[in-house]
Amino acid sequence: DAKTTQPPSMDCAEGRAANLPCNHSTISGNEYVYWYRQIHSQGPQYIIHGLKNNETNEMASLIITEDRKSSTLILPHATLRDTAVYYCIVRPLGSARQLTFGSGTQLTVLP
Amino acid sequence: ETGVTQSPTHLIKTRGQQVTLRCSSQSGHNTVSWYQQALGQGPQFIFQYYREEENGRGNFPPRFSGLQFPNYSSELNVNALELDDSALYLCASRTDGAYEQYFGPGTRLTVT
Repeated sequence: DAKTTQPPSMDCAEGRAANLPCNHSTISGNEYVYWYRQIHSQGPQYIIHGLKNNETNEMASLIITEDRKSSTLILPHATLRDTAVYYCIVRPLGSARQLTFGSGTQLTVLP
Repeated sequence: ETGVTQSPTHLIKTRGQQVTLRCSSQSGHNTVSWYQQALGQGPQFIFQYYREEENGRGNFPPRFSGLQFPNYSSELNVNALELDDSALYLCASRTDGAYEQYFGPGTRLTVT
């Protein structure tokens, strides 16, 4: 799986959009970008995934650059409950292989 | 709520002992994975079971072993516990080929 690079921490004001970047410059053509988050002392939670088109669901939006070497997870209206570690993971869709977690980004939503 | 449960929630063991952690997956999820998460780090893959057979393993020694049962439950067994085994142990389940894995809340193991 391609390696990902994320900033270790970010702050965001409550009610504002949180934009979490991820670099994956070695991504290959069949690899998708997945985002998971882990709220303190809980198991990771799936957020969204995408290949090359922008994706949106009820939790977030995923913007992938045209060259697919980076992406941004957007939480449109961050709440205090969005405070968590966010992991960007690159892997083939439906791969039988495991998720490879990096260190992630600690997002702190401030009141 | 992911429908994945783990027991116990917390556990304290002594170095050299053996421990069994349990996971109950959603009905129909035929693939279960176990992860170890040390404090301040991301989860690290231990192994994966598909239809009761191990079909993938991370960089963990043989004293980490597992079982998967037909009723969608599974176990992680760790023998000869070491202090470095202290961690949060997570199980995750999915259907074969699915893109989303559902994680349980984890078991916090402390080895003294």
